[in-house]
Amino acid sequence: GENVEQHPSTLSVQEGDSAVIKCTYSDSASNYFPWYKQELGKRPQLIIDIRSNVGEKKDQRIAVTLNKTAKHFSLHITETQPEDSAVYFCARSGGYNKLIFGAGTRLAVHP
Amino acid sequence: EAQVTQNPRYLITVTGKKLTVTCSQNMNHEYMSWYRQDPGLGLRQIYYSMNVEVTDKGDVPEGYKVSRKEKRNFPLILESPSPNQTSLYFCASSLLLRDTGELFFGEGSRLTVL
Repeated sequence: GENVEQHPSTLSVQEGDSAVIKCTYSDSASNYFPWYKQELGKRPQLIIDIRSNVGEKKDQRIAVTLNKTAKHFSLHITETQPEDSAVYFCARSGGYNKLIFGAGTRLAVHP
Repeated sequence: EAQVTQNPRYLITVTGKKLTVTCSQNMNHEYMSWYRQDPGLGLRQIYYSMNVEVTDKGDVPEGYKVSRKEKRNFPLILESPSPNQTSLYFCASSLLLRDTGELFFGEGSRLTVL
């Protein structure tokens, strides 16, 4: 269907560990997959995105991988820090005019 | 400073009392959209607008209206609010979404309907 399934819903890691959040979708027409970070009480902000002609993209400690055949994409955060604590939303393009968001993952990084 | 501004940020109202949440962007963006955020449901699109006088329904439009008379403004209207519209609302804009393009969100408006 239209939804994006996001897992896990909550994730707790120790500072310095890696965190991985995975999203799956079913619409093979989707070609744009952004990730948004929402700190407590703040607005969502784009942190990284990937388009369907690319399998992986990195930006310092964060990376996104895309498997179009299997219809899943993942966010990887390495060397986590307390300031990485937030809710992370994946999304996929849903046609010309919309982004369809996952339900979010609450990441807690413990010092 | 480039920004999306929403007002009010917080509002408590009663069932049936019409209200408007304003949204304004200063980035000359063509695309604007309203989302509601509820626990466990992520961000769901209410309405969007591709340009002035062009609006369309998102996934959860029932109970809401919008208008786009000017490029910079995209107000959300609740004609007769009900308790199930208690939520956190975000306005967002983009240069032109077209399957790509960053969404810039406002700070959010927390609405409680009693």
